[in-house]
Amino acid sequence: DAKTTQPNSMESNEEEPVHLPCNHSTISGTDYIHWYRQLPSQGPEYVIHGLTSNVNNRMASLAIAEDRKSSTLILHRATLRDAAVYYCILKFGGTSYGKLTFGQGTILTVHP
Amino acid sequence: KAGVTQTPRYLIKTRGQQVTLSCSPISGHRSVSWYQQTPGQGLQFLFEYFSETQRNKGNFPGRFSGRQFSNSRSEMNVSTLELGDSALYLCASSRTSGRGQETQYFGPGTRLLVL
Repeated sequence: DAKTTQPNSMESNEEEPVHLPCNHSTISGTDYIHWYRQLPSQGPEYVIHGLTSNVNNRMASLAIAEDRKSSTLILHRATLRDAAVYYCILKFGGTSYGKLTFGQGTILTVHP
Repeated sequence: KAGVTQTPRYLIKTRGQQVTLSCSPISGHRSVSWYQQTPGQGLQFLFEYFSETQRNKGNFPGRFSGRQFSNSRSEMNVSTLELGDSALYLCASSRTSGRGQETQYFGPGTRLLVL
């Protein structure tokens, strides 16, 4: 599985934008970039995913570099509820039979 | 639509015992994956079932096993429990066999403590 690298931790203030980076220099052409987050005492939850183009949904935006070797998850206005561990995951575009390979993720702290 | 449910939520066992955990996927989802989460190793993939067949397996000993029923509900079993099996066990479901663009929906997990 291709590897991702994320900062161990980041901090933000409430209502400010947050940019969470992820490096994936060994990404293959068929790998999708997924982001999940895990709030305290909960299972991970899906945030967003993309292949080549930038993506937006109600939770966040995903900016993908032109060479696809890095991506950035953007939370437009952080809230206290966004404090979580954020995981950047590469998922094979073919049949990966359910496997998500989690790294250590980025612990996001949001200050009031 | 109800989310992924896991039972029990908490469990205490002693070394050498066995344990069975249950997972009910979201209605219509046929793929169920299991993960183990520990502070030291993080989230690790155990195995995935689709239409009652194990299609993928992580790097865990044979003491860890699972099965899936015709209604897509899944169980995982750990035999001869060791202290290191203490972990949060997470189940995730998705519609089909987990292609690249497909998302997974996780349950709240079962926290297992082995004494």
